[in-house]
This record gives sequence, structure tokens and C-alpha cells, in this order.
Amino acid sequence: DIQMTQSPSSLSASVGDRVTLTCRASQGIANSLAWYQHKPGKAPKLLLYTASRLESGVPSRFSGSGSGTDYTLTISSLQPEDFATYHCQQYFTTPQTFGQGTKLEIK
Amino acid sequence: EVQLVQSGAEVKKPGESLKISCKGSGYRFTSYWIGWVRQMPGKGLEWMGIIYPGDSDTRYSPSFQGQVTFSADRSISTAYLQWSSLKASDTAMYFCARLLTIATDYYYMDVWGKGTTVTVSS
Repeated sequence: DIQMTQSPSSLSASVGDRVTLTCRASQGIANSLAWYQHKPGKAPKLLLYTASRLESGVPSRFSGSGSGTDYTLTISSLQPEDFATYHCQQYFTTPQTFGQGTKLEIK
Repeated sequence: EVQLVQSGAEVKKPGESLKISCKGSGYRFTSYWIGWVRQMPGKGLEWMGIIYPGDSDTRYSPSFQGQVTFSADRSISTAYLQWSSLKASDTAMYFCARLLTIATDYYYMDVWGKGTTVTVSS
């Protein structure tokens, strides 16, 4: 199985900050990477796929980049509704696998 | 609107059986893979596997093979996750999700249910 490692595991930031979350795969995944936002009691929400493509309806302050084994999710200016847990997922091979998540908290 | 509606929370005893459901609406249910994802308390997401309701083809993660069973009833656009004998370690939130599907190839999870909490305790 491909192991996905996210860093940091938690992050404190303020409204308006620019933050970057990282996801590393144990082998190359050819940009077959998705990012999800998850708030307690709610369904996870797809933000980006193919590493950098924004899902319809997702604000443009979210962006993704990367290649090979290393990928990032950047939020350009944090909004109050962005405080949540973010998960990356590779869909390059089966079984698909997730990172352990990064919890983004208000400073 | 595309939706996946999951069944309600369950409290069971070890050794009991359980079947939870995920009903799709707003799209052609038989043309998209449905996946199941586990989240144990305080932990990350785990991909359990997928089922294609069109022909009930299944793919299990090795970690869950033999531990759970996926099924689907096309007539009511519903997928199921089933245990024959629950353990305390099955206590978790379980999500279903639709996978982007092109022909029969599957990709990321584009629509998710809100989850079903399963508690197994004596």
C-alpha cells in the first residue's frame, strides 16, 4: 500500500493568514491526489483533485500543487469557515489511502 | 442535487451482526462506484473498499477483506456495509462516498454521506 504522510498534524493560524499543508506519498502517484476538508458532524468535502484542480464551487483561495511524491495545499487568506481538518488521498493505486489529516485551528 | 444519505447511529454488543446503509439520489446510482471509509475515534480516514452497484463488483482493502461485506440493491439505489460478528474495535464513524467514475474506472470521492456512528460495547 502507498503510505501518505501529512504535515504538520496540527496547525494554529489566524484569520487572514496564508497557510500551506503538505502531503508526501511513499512512492510516486502521478498527481493522482485529492484534498478534502472535514468539519465535525459533517460530510467530508472534496476541495481539489488531480493535485491542483479546484472542485466546482470551492473558493479560489484554495490551491494545490506538487508532483511525484510531494504535494501541497495552500489557503491564501484564511477565513473563519476554513478551520477544519484537511485530508489528502491518493487514488493512483488500490487500495486508495489517506494521510492522517492536518487539523487547522484558530490561534 | 446529488446526495448520499446514510442510516442512523447504531449501538451494538460484541458478536452481534449489523448492516448499515447509504442511499444515493440525484444521479444514476448504477453507474458510479460507492466507497466506504472508516474513521476510528481520534484517528484519520481509512479506505475500506468499493462496490460498483451496476454489477456488485467489489474491491476490498486488504485490511478489511474478510472483516466486512459490501452489497448493493440497485432497485432502491442503496449500498450496504455489513458485519457478521462485531468487535469493540469496530467502533467508529463510517462514511460512504461516491467515486468519480469514467466507464468503470474509478478515481477520487466527489460526494460523501454524513457518516454513521457505530458503537460496539458490552
